[in-house]
Amino acid sequence: EVQLVESGGGVVRPGGSLRLSCAASGFTFDDYGMSWVRQGPGKGLEWVSGINWNGGNTGYADSVKGRFTISRDNAKNSLYLQMNSLRAEDTALYHCARSHIVVAGAFDIWGQGTMVTVSS
Amino acid sequence: AIRMTQSPSSLSASTGDRVTITCRASQGISSYLAWYQQKPGKAPKLLIYAASTLQSGVPSRFSGSGSGTDFTLTISCLQSEDFATYYCQQYYNYPRTFGQGTKVEIK
Repeated sequence: EVQLVESGGGVVRPGGSLRLSCAASGFTFDDYGMSWVRQGPGKGLEWVSGINWNGGNTGYADSVKGRFTISRDNAKNSLYLQMNSLRAEDTALYHCARSHIVVAGAFDIWGQGTMVTVSS
Repeated sequence: AIRMTQSPSSLSASTGDRVTITCRASQGISSYLAWYQQKPGKAPKLLIYAASTLQSGVPSRFSGSGSGTDFTLTISCLQSEDFATYYCQQYYNYPRTFGQGTKVEIK
């Protein structure tokens, strides 16, 4: 079964850091680009960051640029998001999502998400 | 960043109705548009990519059209399992951006 499982969320104080992980299974991980997409409580979807198949190309939303770093370990079939200098507005459910094999900008497989709460 | 605007933000419909949701991009995005369905407490599901190509396994009552700046998602005969929130997303450039969502509710 094709699956993405996120972990690493939690409660953190403003200015703190967290590292999210996404474990992929059921497909050849290094054939695909990957992204992180978040959803604030009661809000819509916001693309956060993306990475190509070998980690050589990354992109970030303006709202997280300079604070978040995306990476991947193809040997471990894993995607990561290092989040520093966290703010209250970063509070959200963070999903990892697989890029479509034909249309890399669309996301065809999503994890259930891991919740990040930034609060003092 | 390209702004994606959906309308309406919500709608009420009955089973069997034909439903149309529109999505407008703040600049031309060719056909680089996807549609997603999200049910409460669930991850989004890809319905359509390249503006009009149905993702594998998605029922044929879903269809998409448009190019440039104006797009539509149509559900030809609404089923009970279609009550959900729908999002459009552009992948013409970075950052990828989503519409604000359209909630389809039971009338």
